[in-house]
Amino acid sequence: KAGVTQTPRYLIKTRGQQVTLSCSPISGHRSVSWYQQTPGQGLQFLFEYFSETQRNKGNFPGRFSGRQFSNSRSEMNVSTLELGDSALYLCASRAPSSYNEQFFGPGTRLTVL
Amino acid sequence: GNSVTQMEGPVTLSEEAFLTINCTYTATGYPSLFWYVQYPGEGLQLLLKATKADDKGSNKGFEATYRKETTSFHLEKGSVQVSDSAVYFCALSGGSTGNQFYFGTGTSLTVIP
Repeated sequence: KAGVTQTPRYLIKTRGQQVTLSCSPISGHRSVSWYQQTPGQGLQFLFEYFSETQRNKGNFPGRFSGRQFSNSRSEMNVSTLELGDSALYLCASRAPSSYNEQFFGPGTRLTVL
Repeated sequence: GNSVTQMEGPVTLSEEAFLTINCTYTATGYPSLFWYVQYPGEGLQLLLKATKADDKGSNKGFEATYRKETTSFHLEKGSVQVSDSAVYFCALSGGSTGNQFYFGTGTSLTVIP
């Protein structure tokens, strides 16, 4: 089975721009979660989608949004980028049931200049 | 609320030393517990998991036992190798958390020859 894939792997943007990141989960997984990882704040939960509906949401401003498509692929969007948005953005998918682990993609490294 | 607390890093050990990384959690019910590992430049990988009290998860020489009485899930390895250098994250899901994952702050381990 193919793993979780994320595109692009690296991205450079300037302040004020917007960005869209993509995540394709493992086949059969309907839950997709997004995390932001920075050296200062560690791993922070952004949101989780399940069957095209946002199921959980972390404590991030409204500039951060996401969606999930009927094939379970997910995108996250960050508008009006700030320098502090520079981070590794990780996507994870999981099979149904809270007993199941999340499988992570390699991440998208976003640099905001 | 629900949370995971890990021992602060960084941790530096000599090759073949014994490793313990402490992890305690706060959650009601019976969450599943996980250890993830992140190698430089990569996403997180599941190292091991335990889904009920007194379960022992093990993989690649690492072990952790789900202790409900002390709400702990400490990671241990009897003899570390240079290749074990990475960041280790403790996590939980289920129980009172529902389906959401909660991660600790991560513990950086460096093993020197």
